[in-house]
Amino acid sequence: DVKVTQSSRYLVKRTGEKVFLECVQDMDHENMFWYRQDPGLGLRLIYFSYDVKMKEKGDIPEGYSVSREKKERFSLILESASTNQTSMYLCASSPPGGPIFYEQYFGPGTRLTVT
Amino acid sequence: AQSVSQHNHHVILSEAASLELGCNYSYGGTVNLFWYVQYPGQHLQLLLKYFSGDPLVKGIKGFEAEFIKSKFSFNLRKPSVQWSDTAEYFCAVNAQRYSSASKIIFGSGTRLSIRP
Repeated sequence: DVKVTQSSRYLVKRTGEKVFLECVQDMDHENMFWYRQDPGLGLRLIYFSYDVKMKEKGDIPEGYSVSREKKERFSLILESASTNQTSMYLCASSPPGGPIFYEQYFGPGTRLTVT
Repeated sequence: AQSVSQHNHHVILSEAASLELGCNYSYGGTVNLFWYVQYPGQHLQLLLKYFSGDPLVKGIKGFEAEFIKSKFSFNLRKPSVQWSDTAEYFCAVNAQRYSSASKIIFGSGTRLSIRP
């Protein structure tokens, strides 16, 4: 069973803080993703990575950066958190051998509140 | 710009009723299509997917979806819903592009509530 874990379920940060969201998958998947989920907007792709040290911008990368130093770990960084980044953040991974957006396995999400 | 529309934001049905959730997309090229489901308190998980071949695809828990290319639609169906189908359902479209990175776009979701 694929397991995608996220470091925190709930996080409260102050405006201007640097925030790290960690994601780990245990199935040796090559592809990893960060989304944010907002009511009425569905999921929006922030960044994805198809290999260690490789990254691609998604639809809403502004204000975010990512790091993938090891295959199993994909970190999302909010350089200077703002209130409009209050959201649910979902990490996902997908296996190699098919299109990059093949069946994705999602983590439980981190609900981030920026005050 | 590419988009995915789920026109029903909240659907309420009684048990044993038939279900159809609409999904329309705007993209003229090759697409891969997905339905994901999020049960209360659980992770988002794949319900079914279409890549090629038979446009009628079957997924888990008795769900199916039909890809109608001429209508740019991928509607989700189930002949008889159960209370346990209460969840939020997301349609997603992966646009295959040769000249740049592949993209995925999710719809805004449809919340399904089943009355026991």
